[in-house]
Amino acid sequence: GEDVEQSLFLSVREGDSSVINCTYTDSSSTYLYWYKQEPGAGLQLLTYIFSNMDMKQDQRLTVLLNKKDKHLSLRIADTQTGDSAIYFCAETYNNNDMRFGAGTRLTVKP
Amino acid sequence: NAGVTQTPKFQVLKTGQSMTLQCAQDMNHEYMSWYRQDPGMGLRLIHYSVGAGITDQGEVPNGYNVSRSTTEDFPLRLLSAAPSQTSVYFCASSYGGRATDTQYFGPGTRLTVL
Repeated sequence: GEDVEQSLFLSVREGDSSVINCTYTDSSSTYLYWYKQEPGAGLQLLTYIFSNMDMKQDQRLTVLLNKKDKHLSLRIADTQTGDSAIYFCAETYNNNDMRFGAGTRLTVKP
Repeated sequence: NAGVTQTPKFQVLKTGQSMTLQCAQDMNHEYMSWYRQDPGMGLRLIHYSVGAGITDQGEVPNGYNVSRSTTEDFPLRLLSAAPSQTSVYFCASSYGGRATDTQYFGPGTRLTVL
């Protein structure tokens, strides 16, 4: 299909790791992105990975890319209540367009 | 820098009314885009602009018009509002293309059409 797919909800306890998964569609996507949307705010770029990479780590964030399966994941270590937000996966396509997933709502319980 | 600003934050319209959603950025970005966000769906591109005087349609352009008379401003016009246009609208800008450069999003306008 042509949809970027994500689970809609994820709930974790504070201090645990969160893993948000995404399946994208275009095997020729150059960049894959993770955006974060806090309540009442616009999307903010969290991190991205270039298609020739398998993994990217940035402090508590780890992005894994499996190009064979077109699977992207975002791991948040030591999840905090401030990480509660909606996380959007996005891919590039047609060289100059982006396609977003529906977003995963992460709830962090104390 | 204020970044990307959008007004109003909330709006309620009756079917058939027209209105303009404002978007401005002070980062001298060439690329600007309008998206709508609906529950359970990803952001969908309505219209975009690659520079002043140039606009083009995105994935869901019907019922919306845009213009880009200056680099800073990119208003979105609803000519005759319909309930199907109830959504949250986001404006975004980037220095380069949408897919090759970081997009900066405004805070959104929540529109309800009765």
